[in-house]
Amino acid sequence: KAGVTQTPRYLIKTRGQQVTLSCSPISGHRSVSWYQQTPGQGLQFLFEYFSETQRNKGNFPGRFSGRQFSNSRSEMNVSTLELGDSALYLCASSFKLGADGYTFGSGTRLTVV
Amino acid sequence: GDSVTQMEGPVTLSEEAFLTINCTYTATGYPSLFWYVQYPGEGLQLLLKATKADDKGSNKGFEATYRKETTSFHLEKGSVQVSDSAVYFCAPQNSGGYQKVTFGTGTKLQVIP
Repeated sequence: KAGVTQTPRYLIKTRGQQVTLSCSPISGHRSVSWYQQTPGQGLQFLFEYFSETQRNKGNFPGRFSGRQFSNSRSEMNVSTLELGDSALYLCASSFKLGADGYTFGSGTRLTVV
Repeated sequence: GDSVTQMEGPVTLSEEAFLTINCTYTATGYPSLFWYVQYPGEGLQLLLKATKADDKGSNKGFEATYRKETTSFHLEKGSVQVSDSAVYFCAPQNSGGYQKVTFGTGTKLQVIP
């Protein structure tokens, strides 16, 4: 079966712009989580959605937002981009909230210049 | 909140050497424990898991045993290969609803021929 698909794979944006990243989970998975990965901070949790509702949120400013659609696909948006937002953004899906583990996509590499 | 301590990397080993990557955690309740692996340029992959005390997770020659008394989940492999070169993440996750995964900082493993 198809894995978690993230688009685009690479993105270059200018400071002050906004960006939208997309994630299609594994078919049947209803939970989608987003992480930011940087060399200095490691993996940091952004938010998790389940059945179109945000269930958990990490410690990121309000410029970071997300949503989930009825088909479980998810998008995250970053407004007013800063240089420090340059990172690999990873999406992960699971069948349910809880302890089954996650399947990750390959990520979107965002570079802010 | 939950936290994870992984041994510092990078770890450099010769092919066929024995591998141990230490992981200890603090968590409320009774978490499930996971190891994820990230190969260069890719997202994370679930490597193995254990859901209760004394459980041993195993996959691809890697093993880890859930030690509740020492709150540890050390990753081991008897004979590493060059293809095992990657970053390894320990991750406890509480079950039962809206609990996010806590990832360790990751341990980079480099296996040289």
